[in-house]
Amino acid sequence: AQSVAQPEDQVNVAEGNPLTVKCTYSVSGNPYLFWYVQYPNRGLQFLLKYITGDNLVKGSYGFEAEFNKSQTSFHLKKPSALVSDSALYFCAVRDLGNNRLAFGKGNQVVVIP
Amino acid sequence: SAVISQKPSRDICQRGTSLTIQCQVDSQVTMMFWYRQQPGQSLTLIATANQGSEATYESGFVIDKFPISRPNLTFSTLTVSNMSPEDSSIYLCSVELEGSSYEQYFGPGTRLTVT
Repeated sequence: AQSVAQPEDQVNVAEGNPLTVKCTYSVSGNPYLFWYVQYPNRGLQFLLKYITGDNLVKGSYGFEAEFNKSQTSFHLKKPSALVSDSALYFCAVRDLGNNRLAFGKGNQVVVIP
Repeated sequence: SAVISQKPSRDICQRGTSLTIQCQVDSQVTMMFWYRQQPGQSLTLIATANQGSEATYESGFVIDKFPISRPNLTFSTLTVSNMSPEDSSIYLCSVELEGSSYEQYFGPGTRLTVT
């Protein structure tokens, strides 16, 4: 079964500084990888995905993520964090062999003004 | 994307009762799913809602406790039966759209508190 690890509980970053949220995955075949964001008292919003092609994928709100097959990682990045980026971020992976999306535990991002 | 609505948005229920949560989508979808998100936790897949047939449940979830219906392509219900305080969670509906390359879109969730 597929799984995702998000090693940090909380990521603190100063506004304007680069933001990185780490994610590593485990699947039996080629992965489909996703990042979602959850704002307080809101549902999950899709940010970006990697299916195939370029290892660097760009998504909503200025976020991007880099797929690294050798390190089985899919870290989320933003060059310059905003206070409004403070939210809960989830990495997820789907195995090609099934329809299940496995989520990581989530990372709370706090952007400090 | 799609507009997904869930009813109710929140409820407080007594132990031993049941609650049915509705999920409505404004587009035809290929897949519909139900997740549970316990306080401060990640999302756990409960089941895949199949149109016109029994849902496919994940390990640890059973039909008697979480009966699911999906009578058409745009609507599904999840019932939480014989509730206990341990069922207090946010319940989320999600969908995959035709041609979306496996993106899942989530409803706003139903916040359930069992007393």
